[in-house]
Amino acid sequence: GAVVSQHPSWVICKSGTSVKIECRSLDFQATTMFWYRQFPKQSLMLMATSNEGSKATYEQGVEKDKFLINHASLTLSTLTVTSAHPEDSSFYICSARDGGPAEAFFGQGTRLTVV
Amino acid sequence: GENVEQHPSTLSVQEGDSAVIKCTYSDSASNYFPWYKQELGKGPQLIIDIRSNVGEKKDQRIAVTLNKTAKHFSLHITETQPEDSAVYFCAASGRGSYIPTFGRGTSLIVHP
Repeated sequence: GAVVSQHPSWVICKSGTSVKIECRSLDFQATTMFWYRQFPKQSLMLMATSNEGSKATYEQGVEKDKFLINHASLTLSTLTVTSAHPEDSSFYICSARDGGPAEAFFGQGTRLTVV
Repeated sequence: GENVEQHPSTLSVQEGDSAVIKCTYSDSASNYFPWYKQELGKGPQLIIDIRSNVGEKKDQRIAVTLNKTAKHFSLHITETQPEDSAVYFCAASGRGSYIPTFGRGTSLIVHP
């Protein structure tokens, strides 16, 4: 299957700082990327959908000024958690699809811990 | 919008037994049904999928069945092994929306 690489796999940051997470499609062009948040023992919660070259579409309740998403190329999307607080600590996962059949492939996830 | 229900939330089996996880969906426009396996601390991995023009698909020890009329689909794992232990998610997407809607997940535990 297609490969989606997410970096970093884990990060610890101080409260008030910003953290950037990268999501790359390694062997296909990702016309659409999704960003999810997952709490322990829960399902994936969709945060936003981004299409290359367009502004991201955020789900209800997700603060767009706090979770900045950039999808500047067909192989790279970034999620920046701005002014992070302990309640932002979570597992963040990206997925990408190539615009063809509906398959979406996931990155490895990023464990964010805000102290 | 689409709503996906998944059962059971936890499934415990002995090594070598079969495991079945069931999902139902609400939107008759959905036509793509993937299953993902998520190991602890990792992202979900696509293990098998089925489209609405097919009733069953098999890949070695795993199979998926789809009943469009009843709007439910199931994952079957035969001859389970300890390395099958993980959380499994079903999802549905399709003509109405290509954004997948996920079930709540099933924690499968295979005891050696």
